Amino acid sequence: AQSVTQPDIHITVSEGASLELRCNYSYGATPYLFWYVQSPGQGLQLLLKYFSGDTLVQGIKGFEAEFKRSQSSFNLRKPSVHWSDAAEYFCAVAASNDYKLSFGAGTTVTVRA
Amino acid sequence: NAGVTQTPKFQVLKTGQSMTLQCAQDMNHNSMYWYRQDPGMGLRLIYYSASEGTTDKGEVPNGYNVSRLNKREFSLRLESAAPSQTSVYFCASSLQGGTADTQYFGPGTRLTVL
Repeated sequence: AQSVTQPDIHITVSEGASLELRCNYSYGATPYLFWYVQSPGQGLQLLLKYFSGDTLVQGIKGFEAEFKRSQSSFNLRKPSVHWSDAAEYFCAVAASNDYKLSFGAGTTVTVRA
Repeated sequence: NAGVTQTPKFQVLKTGQSMTLQCAQDMNHNSMYWYRQDPGMGLRLIYYSASEGTTDKGEVPNGYNVSRLNKREFSLRLESAAPSQTSVYFCASSLQGGTADTQYFGPGTRLTVL
């Protein structure tokens, strides 16, 4: 079965600085990978997803993620964070033939002025 | 479009009480999901419905029942609530239920069982 590890529980970043959130997955075949964001008191919103093709994926809100098969990673990046990026971020993985998403535990991002 | 709506937003129960969490979507999606979110554990799938009239157990189904009332509505029932069911519950929907489908989430129901 597939699984996801997000090594960082909490990250604090200054407004305008760059952000990178780590995600490592475990799955035998080519995974389907997702990043979701959850703002306080809200449901989850999809930022981006990777199925195949170009390993650098662009998403909404200025985020991008890079799939690295050799490292079993799918790290999320943003060049310059805004205060509104303060939220919890979840990485998820699914098998290619299954609807079931396996979520990581999440990384909480705090943005300081 | 309201997207995915959930009621209630908050609920406090005593151990042994029952309740039903309601979920509705107005996107004409075929597939619907119930998740629970616990601190440090991400989201875990409770039940899934691929289409009207079908349901399937997820990772943590014990203590829950579901009903896919029609294409729009998917309810989650706790027959005898336990403190271990204190959690935030999210409903989601997707067009077809395949891996390629984006799941759209509701705002959640925060449940406390005393």
